[in-house]
Amino acid sequence: EAEVAQSPRYKITEKSQAVAFWCDPISGHATLYWYRQILGQGPELLVQFQDESVVDDSQLPKDRFSAERLKGVDSTLKIQPAELGDSAMYLCASSPELAGVETQYFGPGTRLLVL
Amino acid sequence: AQSVTQLGSHVSVSEGALVLLRCNYSSSVPPYLFWYVQYPNQGLQLLLKYTSAATLVKGINGFEAEFKKSETSFHLTKPSAHMSDAAEYFCARSRGSSNTGKLIFGQGTTLQVKP
Repeated sequence: EAEVAQSPRYKITEKSQAVAFWCDPISGHATLYWYRQILGQGPELLVQFQDESVVDDSQLPKDRFSAERLKGVDSTLKIQPAELGDSAMYLCASSPELAGVETQYFGPGTRLLVL
Repeated sequence: AQSVTQLGSHVSVSEGALVLLRCNYSSSVPPYLFWYVQYPNQGLQLLLKYTSAATLVKGINGFEAEFKKSETSFHLTKPSAHMSDAAEYFCARSRGSSNTGKLIFGQGTTLQVKP
């Protein structure tokens, strides 16, 4: 069964450093999502792509976060500089279509710890 | 504001007992609703979803949920808990009345199953 791949699974960094997370969605899925999940809370959407275009990045802290999906396939989420409050699980999800009732399929996540 | 409220951050049941996880949503127009399960250090897996068809929705692993518009609820149940059901459960809703892929998650409920 096809899965969403994410790497790395775990990342420890010091504050003010740059970090990057990678996501490879299920083949053929046009829509890709990045979520942040703080310990003990539900995921919160950071950015949503349809192919290579950003559909919604209203909750993305743009002063330090950036996301790209250049060829409309895999995606990278970057934080620069990292802050202590960025410690969280970063989840990537994909779905076949933007609208409709499509299920979002989640990857295993990248757990970030900022020291 | 559109929101999802999960009543009870922790629920503990004995193996073989009924599982009931509560979820209420705020909206004047019924949204699409979802239940996801998350095992430790893993991504989220869809259990079931309500898309305005049948109000009683059956999902995987013996779970089901009933949409009650009058109560704005979408509680998750399972007749008999199994040890493998121990996990974090998230209720989620679509933003607005259609599923544009943008989900709002509840805070999550940790299910503990005692032998």
